[in-house]
Amino acid sequence: NAGVTQTPKFQVLKTGQSMTLQCAQDMNHNSMYWYRQDPGMGLRLIYYSASEGTTDKGEVPNGYNVSRLNKREFSLRLESAAPSQTSVYFCASSEVGAKRTGYTFGSGTRLTVV
Amino acid sequence: QKEVEQNSGPLSVPEGAIASLNCTYSDRVSQSFFWYRQYSGKSPELIMSIYSNGDKEDGRFTAQLNKASQYVSLLIRDSQPSDSATYLCAVIGAGGTSYGKLTFGQGTILTVHP
Repeated sequence: NAGVTQTPKFQVLKTGQSMTLQCAQDMNHNSMYWYRQDPGMGLRLIYYSASEGTTDKGEVPNGYNVSRLNKREFSLRLESAAPSQTSVYFCASSEVGAKRTGYTFGSGTRLTVV
Repeated sequence: QKEVEQNSGPLSVPEGAIASLNCTYSDRVSQSFFWYRQYSGKSPELIMSIYSNGDKEDGRFTAQLNKASQYVSLLIRDSQPSDSATYLCAVIGAGGTSYGKLTFGQGTILTVHP
């Protein structure tokens, strides 16, 4: 089925470890996004890529890096995980501007940092 | 002031009743407004979008937009237990650093009891 695929679905890290969350979409969307969701705080934008070759910081970028590998793939890296990064991470994609279509979300990665 | 604010929950309604979910936003030039439904442990799913003042109906769902008051709402008629979920209001900015980026409210938990 067409959509946004995230891997892994679950991950437990020790403080200081690094990892990369993978995201791929097959809808030929230009724009891709990474959000985190914490209880009572809705979804907060970490980084986004308006188009292939560009990335920009969102609301909460500290502690993260991203790579737009090609039009389909957008990865999120935690270089040195901290307990404050325990969260559910969602990748999303959209047409440029997304004014009429909103975003399509992946199924999420539940990350626990101990 | 948060950019997007939703009425505090949780909201509990009996089966068959009308559930009313409210949202205000701070960016006066916002163009597009969305309601997402999120079941526990799942990703957000787009259920309604609205761009013009007035009402938009889709089955049991009605979205209402009042740009002068910077207010958007979602009505769910004949509520069913399967409507029990978290509802997220989201707004797309019109320009500048907000262009194309969805900003979410914190969500309202709705429970429909038999």
